Amino acid sequence: AAGVIQSPRHLIKEKRETATLKCYPIPRHDTVYWYQQGPGQDPQFLISFYEKMQSDKGSIPDRFSAQQFSDYHSELNMSSLELGDSALYFCASSLLAGGPNIQYFGAGTRLSVL
Amino acid sequence: KQEVTQIPAALSVPEGENLVLNCSFTDSAIYNLQWFRQDPGKGLTSLLLIQSSQREQTSGRLNASLDKSSGRSTLYIAASQPGDSATYLCADGGGGADGLTFGKGTHLIIQP
Repeated sequence: AAGVIQSPRHLIKEKRETATLKCYPIPRHDTVYWYQQGPGQDPQFLISFYEKMQSDKGSIPDRFSAQQFSDYHSELNMSSLELGDSALYFCASSLLAGGPNIQYFGAGTRLSVL
Repeated sequence: KQEVTQIPAALSVPEGENLVLNCSFTDSAIYNLQWFRQDPGKGLTSLLLIQSSQREQTSGRLNASLDKSSGRSTLYIAASQPGDSATYLCADGGGGADGLTFGKGTHLIIQP
């Protein structure tokens, strides 16, 4: 079965640079979520989109923005990168319309800021 | 604000034992409770989801229960195997497209 696809899998950036992470949800899923997991930490929710509209917002820095496109894929844009942004970034998708709304996670993008 | 706590933080048991992982939450008005497994440096694999109207869910050797009144969920693993070694996280789902609130996880080691 198709899973959540994230790209790139690894990304190395310098301080103050920008980064764009991409997420392709499971086909027919209508909701996308972004999470950040620092070293040794639990995942922290950043932002979610339902049917291409921002739905819920967590601890997302103002330097970050995200959107969901007409084909339901989503991108997380990160600017003015800081050393503390080094983390695993997960995207998850779910089918909100009906059903138990199980979130399925991608393999993540490991961002290293040098 | 919902807080999710997992005890113990780490657990090491011999292969074949049955074990219980605990998850507690402060706000009983949860929408659902989801259990995940995470291998080192990897993504999260959904194991079980219990909706607020349910008391338990089972999948193979795994059984998860939910007691909203006491603010607790447990994950029972039967006949543990070395391949079960991983970090297990529970997460509260706020409903709709709300993000999950995770506990800090239980790092489980099954000794061969």
